[in-house]
Amino acid sequence: QVQLVQSGAEVKKPGSSVKVSCKASGGPFSSYAINWVRQAPGHGLEWMGGIIPVLGSAIYAQKFEDRLTITADESTTTAYMELSSLRSEDTAVYYCARESNIAWYFDYWGQGTLVTVSS
Amino acid sequence: QTVVTQEPSFSVSPGGTVTLTCGLSSGSVSTNYYPSWYQQTPGQAPRTLIYNTNTRSSGVPDRFSGSILGNKAALTITGAQADDACDYYCVLYMGSGISVFGGGTKLTVL
Repeated sequence: QVQLVQSGAEVKKPGSSVKVSCKASGGPFSSYAINWVRQAPGHGLEWMGGIIPVLGSAIYAQKFEDRLTITADESTTTAYMELSSLRSEDTAVYYCARESNIAWYFDYWGQGTLVTVSS
Repeated sequence: QTVVTQEPSFSVSPGGTVTLTCGLSSGSVSTNYYPSWYQQTPGQAPRTLIYNTNTRSSGVPDRFSGSILGNKAALTITGAQADDACDYYCVLYMGSGISVFGGGTKLTVL
């Protein structure tokens, strides 16, 4: 059974960066896209971007293009999401989600990582 | 910019049937957008319900079904139960690795 286990909660200052990890196990890693989705308190889910590890290049939602970096390490089957220039509006739960190789949907989800941005 | 639309809230009686929809601010939703649906209870990660318009994910009861109705994707819940009260999100695949979530529908069962 595929499992995605994310790193723990973070508290960050405005203007700083945060890097969240997503460790995959129980299934193939390199050929499946890992996506990142966030949810601000009281708000809906928002797709941020994704990466197919074997290809190495990420795709980003236009909103995050200038301050989001998604990477993946095939040797450790871990994907990373780094968001820079943090502001209070970035306070959210960040989820990683594996994208199925059929039908473009998210079949497995991480447990979520709360990132709090506060001075 | 593409906006995926959902009803902000909906109410259904226990045992009743409800259809939630997923549209586009401009244009029609078709199977080419590979609509998928997710259920989320407070404090939990989303759970995949439906993918590829109408395929139920493993373990999802058959009272959840997906379809295209007119120019929108639709999620129908028949025989609504109390624990169906939560948030539902649709996702449309826009191509080139890009997905867009709808704003979500908060379902009340009462």
